[in-house]
Amino acid sequence: DAGVTQSPTHLIKTRGQQVTLRCSPKSGHDTVSWYQQALGQGPQFIFQYYEEEERQRGNFPDRFSGHQFPNYSSELNVNALLLGDSALYLCASSLDRRSYEQYFGPGTRLTVT
Amino acid sequence: EDKVVQSPLSLVVHEGDTVTLNCSYEVTNFRSLLWYKQEKKAPTFLFMLTSSGIEKKSGRLSSILDKKELFSILNITATQTGDSAIYLCSFNNAGNMLTFGGGTRLMVKP
Repeated sequence: DAGVTQSPTHLIKTRGQQVTLRCSPKSGHDTVSWYQQALGQGPQFIFQYYEEEERQRGNFPDRFSGHQFPNYSSELNVNALLLGDSALYLCASSLDRRSYEQYFGPGTRLTVT
Repeated sequence: EDKVVQSPLSLVVHEGDTVTLNCSYEVTNFRSLLWYKQEKKAPTFLFMLTSSGIEKKSGRLSSILDKKELFSILNITATQTGDSAIYLCSFNNAGNMLTFGGGTRLMVKP
């Protein structure tokens, strides 16, 4: 049973560029959440997708957007990259919106230069 | 504003020692408290606690929640080098969003 997968593993971008990160949830899970983890800090909630719609959003600017596809996979898009966007981006999936447990993928390490 | 505070920030122990990690929280809509272990990248799920006073155990790890005093502890007995990791405490609110603390970095020396 495949767990949560994310791609790419690492990414280096330049300030002002745009980036797309991808996530496939654990088999049977239909809810996907995205988190940003800066170095030395705990993960911070970006947003959550369920039924192809953004259901909840954390304190992140509109430069951060997402999408969920009919197969429950998801994308995170960040526009106009800033140096401060450098972080580990984690995707987590849960069985459904009411499920308390979230399972994390290995993350994408984004470096903005 | 909801928040989670973990202590200590870091800890160095020797194999065989017992450690206690602390997590205190202030939340408006508490559903559950979750502990994760993060070794390199993906946080791996350890425990979910929803009721006060009921200890959850998994091998050498155990955890308990006090909803009156708003804290949880994670105990690790007979520590091993493989326990070296960052331990993250989080709570799950009514919207199923996780709010994390800053983590406790544990290093277990041989």
